[in-house]
Amino acid sequence: QVQLQESGPGLVKPSQTLSLTCTVSGGSISSGSYYWSWIRQPAGKGLEWIGRIYTSGSTNYNPSLKSRVTISVDTSKNQFSLKLSSVTAADTAVYYCAREGAAGLEYWGQGTLVTVSS
Amino acid sequence: DIQMTQSPSSLSASVGDRVTITCRASQGISNYLAWYQQKPGKVPKLLIYAASTLQSGVPSRFSGSGSGTDFTLTISSLQPEDVATYYCQKYNSAPITFGQGTRLEIK
Repeated sequence: QVQLQESGPGLVKPSQTLSLTCTVSGGSISSGSYYWSWIRQPAGKGLEWIGRIYTSGSTNYNPSLKSRVTISVDTSKNQFSLKLSSVTAADTAVYYCAREGAAGLEYWGQGTLVTVSS
Repeated sequence: DIQMTQSPSSLSASVGDRVTITCRASQGISNYLAWYQQKPGKVPKLLIYAASTLQSGVPSRFSGSGSGTDFTLTISSLQPEDVATYYCQKYNSAPITFGQGTRLEIK
């Protein structure tokens, strides 16, 4: 059973870079045909897709965030990461990592709250 | 980019009622449509993928239909544990987009 777990600072200052890591267990991040994705959800609001990385390393990003987002993978650690630069209070949200396959987003992490505040 | 529009944004129904939520894509997406259930304070859970395929372990009272631009999620007999927000999602080709969500309550 695949499991995902987000980790990273829960508090980030405005204008700084938010950095999160998702650790995958129960399977190799480099095997199979999967996208490894990041999604966020501000309190009381809907889900917003941030971007994803394929097992080959190719990436896709939400056009509204593309200029500030970088998603990378570290196959040796079975992890993938999110960096979001120049954050503001509007980036405060629960951040989820997830695996996307032919059935959509089948596996999700538990989510981690990131607050942007000085 | 393809936009996903759900309706209604909220609804209230009685236990045992048949409930239908619709999702419309601004362009055709074939059947690359998934439905998720998110209970308060919980992680979204995949209910249906490929527009009509029930994810393993999901109760059979949930069903999905549609193709192209118009999709529906139906709960045949509403149960108290179905109180949640439901999201449709276009997947496969990027950018991935979610509907704005439908909040379902018990009357």
